[in-house]
Amino acid sequence: DQQVKQNSPSLSVQEGRISILNCDYTNSMFDYFLWYKKYPAEGPTFLISISSIKDKNEDGRFTVFLNKSAKHLSLHIVPSQPGDSAVYFCAARSNSGYALNFGKGTSLLVTP
Amino acid sequence: EAGVAQSPRYKIIEKRQSVAFWCNPISGHATLYWYQQILGQGPKLLIQFQNNGVVDDSQLPKDRFSAERLKGVDSTLKIQPAKLEDSAVYLCASRHLAASSYEQYFGPGTRLTVT
Repeated sequence: DQQVKQNSPSLSVQEGRISILNCDYTNSMFDYFLWYKKYPAEGPTFLISISSIKDKNEDGRFTVFLNKSAKHLSLHIVPSQPGDSAVYFCAARSNSGYALNFGKGTSLLVTP
Repeated sequence: EAGVAQSPRYKIIEKRQSVAFWCNPISGHATLYWYQQILGQGPKLLIQFQNNGVVDDSQLPKDRFSAERLKGVDSTLKIQPAKLEDSAVYLCASRHLAASSYEQYFGPGTRLTVT
């Protein structure tokens, strides 16, 4: 049972434009959400996170928005750069444990 | 700061053979995780250690998978015997207990192919 869903397997965006990656979750016990970025043949690297008590967290070009009522979060990258091309994973942590539940990932391609 | 180290990076074995993976977490990180990532999927937790104790192994197929972290530092994950469906990337991650966020630091992974 997939508790974290990334319904868009891929996304293509022009350099300089905004990239929006979406993530939905089903478990209301999730209290912390993270985004990871993964290049081929490398492990995922942490990008940005948000606590369930917040609705927005910003770090440079990256902003994560959380809509708890809709059980939805999104990652905005502005402006997008070719180096942002990677697979992005949404992950969520339950307040009853420590494990991260990952989505299937969205492959972002930023074209020049 | 050195990152999470894993070896080997690639391994090809035949079904029914055994294989072992090694992980060295970031120095000082008490929590260590092993994940399995099948092609096209997100990482799935297999087992979590805190120091040398198991916190969660509910998704570890214990009939064929085993893991240990004897001295609370390095860890090994073993598969015996391997099945075709075990083909995946095995990721090790670590986390400092006192970290204010819940971010985990991942190693590069071991890509296992079972033929």
